[in-house]
Amino acid sequence: QITLKESGPTLVKPTQTLTLTCTVSGFSLSTSEVGVGWIRQPPGQALEWLALIYWNDDKRYSPSLKTRLTVTKDTSKNQVVLTMTNMDPVDTATYYCAHYIATTTGGSFHIWGQGTMVTVSS
Amino acid sequence: QSVLTQPPSASGTPGQRVTISCSGSSSNIGSNAVNWFQHLPGTAPKLLIYNNNQRPSGVPDRFSGSKSGTSASLAISGLQSEDEADYYCAAWDDYLSGPLFGGGTKLTVL
Repeated sequence: QITLKESGPTLVKPTQTLTLTCTVSGFSLSTSEVGVGWIRQPPGQALEWLALIYWNDDKRYSPSLKTRLTVTKDTSKNQVVLTMTNMDPVDTATYYCAHYIATTTGGSFHIWGQGTMVTVSS
Repeated sequence: QSVLTQPPSASGTPGQRVTISCSGSSSNIGSNAVNWFQHLPGTAPKLLIYNNNQRPSGVPDRFSGSKSGTSASLAISGLQSEDEADYYCAAWDDYLSGPLFGGGTKLTVL
């Protein structure tokens, strides 16, 4: 059974760096065609894709946030880490990580974590 | 700019069939597969449809997906009260070089 669980601070101050960890089980981060993505949802708004890291360490970032995001993985620990710099109140959102299966036509997020709410406030 | 457009709301009565549309462009729906997600507040989004019309195991066959050109649709037949949720379409976008989500549709079961 595949599960993902997000962890990290619930409150960060403006200009600080947010670090979120996604701990996965039921699959290996080195399995071919598999990735882990990060998606967020600000209160009352739609889902927004942030970043994606593949089994082969290939990484993709949302162009609008690319300069602020870094995604890494530690296969031995079954963890994927997302860092977002220079946090702002508009970054207040529920952050999700999700298991991604890549295909030649784009792939899909099959299993999601429960999400973690992050508030940006001084 | 890459955008997937969904109606903000949809509604139906129990037992009815409802459809939710998702309009994109040649860089996303026109050339890549469409996925649909169901999202209940406070829970993890759930994959309903992948690769345009495939259902993951455990998803009832009341849910179906279709795609034509640069548009896609999610159909829900035999509407049930528990179907009341937000529904999102998504597709890989070649300009973004990443997944693109629609704005979401809030489905109300009257």
